[in-house]
Amino acid sequence: ELKVEQNPLFLSMQEGKNYTIYCNYSTTSDRLYWYRQDPGKSLESLFVLLSNGAVKQEGRLMASLDTKARLSTLHITAAVHDLSATYFCAVDPDSNYQLIWGAGTKLIIKP
Amino acid sequence: SQTIHQWPATLVQPVGSPLSLECTVEGTSNPNLYWYRQAAGRGLQLLFYSVGIGQISSEVPQNLSASRPQDRQFILSSKKLLLSDSGFYLCAWSVSNGQPQHFGDGTRLSIL
Repeated sequence: ELKVEQNPLFLSMQEGKNYTIYCNYSTTSDRLYWYRQDPGKSLESLFVLLSNGAVKQEGRLMASLDTKARLSTLHITAAVHDLSATYFCAVDPDSNYQLIWGAGTKLIIKP
Repeated sequence: SQTIHQWPATLVQPVGSPLSLECTVEGTSNPNLYWYRQAAGRGLQLLFYSVGIGQISSEVPQNLSASRPQDRQFILSSKKLLLSDSGFYLCAWSVSNGQPQHFGDGTRLSIL
């Protein structure tokens, strides 16, 4: 069974701290996506990682992909309240446009 | 630029009533189209996807159906809604491998 597991599922942290969200998947895939969802809103694409060793950065967020370990990380540097949201990772194992989604990590950043 | 429109934004329906949610994409041709459902506080469940007009693949058996009457139009329907159909319904599109799926604003469906 194809699985995508995110860890942790819930994270409460203080502003200014660093933390990492992990995304493990159970099948080979060279394509991994990170999305952000604000409460009551739709999903917004953050990063597309298409090869082993890929690293993408946008502001205080940095995503990386290790296809050999079947692991992606989303690192938050010096967190600010505006980054509070739920973050999803998704993989495309068969390159057939169907994504397998993680359950999401709800991130709360306290001032 | 490409845009995706999904409506209505909110819908309250009685059990047993029919449903029709519509999604249209502008600014691209022959997109892949998707319907997802998200229960409160949960992840995404893929309901249907389509790679072309009239081509629908169902991922989860249910009392919902989908149709693609035009290249950039995707419709989610039900003849009789169940309480368990409540949720946040999201339409999405993509154009090629390696590109992310882009989501509409969603429809929040409550069944009474």
